[in-house]
Amino acid sequence: QQQVKQSPQSLIVQKGGISIINCAYENTAFDYFPWYQQFPGKGPALLIAIRPDVSEKKEGRFTISFNKSAKQFSLHIMDSQPGDSATYFCAAGYRQTGANNLFFGTGTRLTVIP
Amino acid sequence: DTEVTQTPKHLVMGMTNKKSLKCEQHMGHRAMYWYKQKAKKPPELMFVYSYEKLSINESVPSRFSPECPNSSLLNLHLHALQPEDSALYLCASSQDPVNYEQYFGPGTRLTVT
Repeated sequence: QQQVKQSPQSLIVQKGGISIINCAYENTAFDYFPWYQQFPGKGPALLIAIRPDVSEKKEGRFTISFNKSAKQFSLHIMDSQPGDSATYFCAAGYRQTGANNLFFGTGTRLTVIP
Repeated sequence: DTEVTQTPKHLVMGMTNKKSLKCEQHMGHRAMYWYKQKAKKPPELMFVYSYEKLSINESVPSRFSPECPNSSLLNLHLHALQPEDSALYLCASSQDPVNYEQYFGPGTRLTVT
């Protein structure tokens, strides 16, 4: 059972365009929603994160939009650059005995064409 | 310093070998994690250590044996692995077990022959 559904699987965007990646979840116990960026052969790097009491968070060219009622959140990359080409994972965090945990989406491979 | 280091970068081992993966962080984090990532898939949690004690084991086969010698080090001992265990093994850390911000290392690419 996939706890976090992510789409699209792959995305091709022209340089300067807007990249949009979407995620959806069912479990209302999730209380933390990060996005990770992963380059080939590297570990994921935390890009930006949001809590469910906020509808939008912006850091530079990266924005998370969060819709609590729809249980959806998305990553927008403005002015996309070839250096943004990577795999992006959304995740959802929940509290459990022992440690907080993250469920990852299936990933989106973004290619930005010069 | 927000770096998590992992050694080795690459490891090839036979099914009868015993090897270990090492992870180190000097951020003073008190929670450390092992993940397994297959190609084109998301990371899957294997183990969590909280304050040097194993707090979560996600039903991982016993051929994987974690160890946390101190608050900065995390090992993953490997024995009698199967070819399907070939994957990228990622270590991560967070400030404490209730802090969601996890910092990942670059991973160890493991190939089991």
